[in-house]
Amino acid sequence: GQSLEQPSEVTAVEGAIVQINCTYQTSGFYGLSWYQQHDGGAPTFLSYNALDGLEETGRFSSFLSRSDSYGYLLLQELQMKDSASYFCSPEAAGNKLTFGGGTRVLVKP
Amino acid sequence: EPEVTQTPSHQVTQMGQEVILRCVPISNHLYFYWYRQILGQKVEFLVSFYNNEISEKSEIFDDQFSVERPDGSNFTLKIRSTKLEDSAMYFCASSDPRSYGYTFGSGTRLTVV
Repeated sequence: GQSLEQPSEVTAVEGAIVQINCTYQTSGFYGLSWYQQHDGGAPTFLSYNALDGLEETGRFSSFLSRSDSYGYLLLQELQMKDSASYFCSPEAAGNKLTFGGGTRVLVKP
Repeated sequence: EPEVTQTPSHQVTQMGQEVILRCVPISNHLYFYWYRQILGQKVEFLVSFYNNEISEKSEIFDDQFSVERPDGSNFTLKIRSTKLEDSAMYFCASSDPRSYGYTFGSGTRLTVV
């Protein structure tokens, strides 16, 4: 079976740092993907962790610990345009993305 | 930057009618997908397609649904007899096993009345 947990909502101010945690249970785990979705928009790929450790892509970083079935997405120097929903998705055999409820990030001025 | 193109962007159809949603995946991608998102809910997997056949499908993807890659560029989702509960945003996506991440199209908003 598969399970996925993320906080439902996070609120922060512009310039702050936000960490979105993700715990998962997936058989045949390959890696963890992160996607962003603005209201009314399509999901957009942010990052992928195949190995343990931190991957940095500009203001966004993603971390994975395979032994803990845990990852996080770190959003730094928050901007208003970062207000969106963020989804972690474990990748497993069959190459299928599965989305949970996601984390809604609200950035306030 | 290459993108996945979906047409139409909006479609309104009467209950019981057939609809075909169209997608042009990124040209060198090998895996194709359909997802849907009912308003206010999470994105749900419908079907994945590889090497001209369905590789996986969800419980949602029942006999009313079918997919086709009629030529080298298009990827279509057909709903044979639409129901009110089929109203949703339908996203097409494609991926390349040599790189990470899926690329999603901007979606088709289907409204069944």
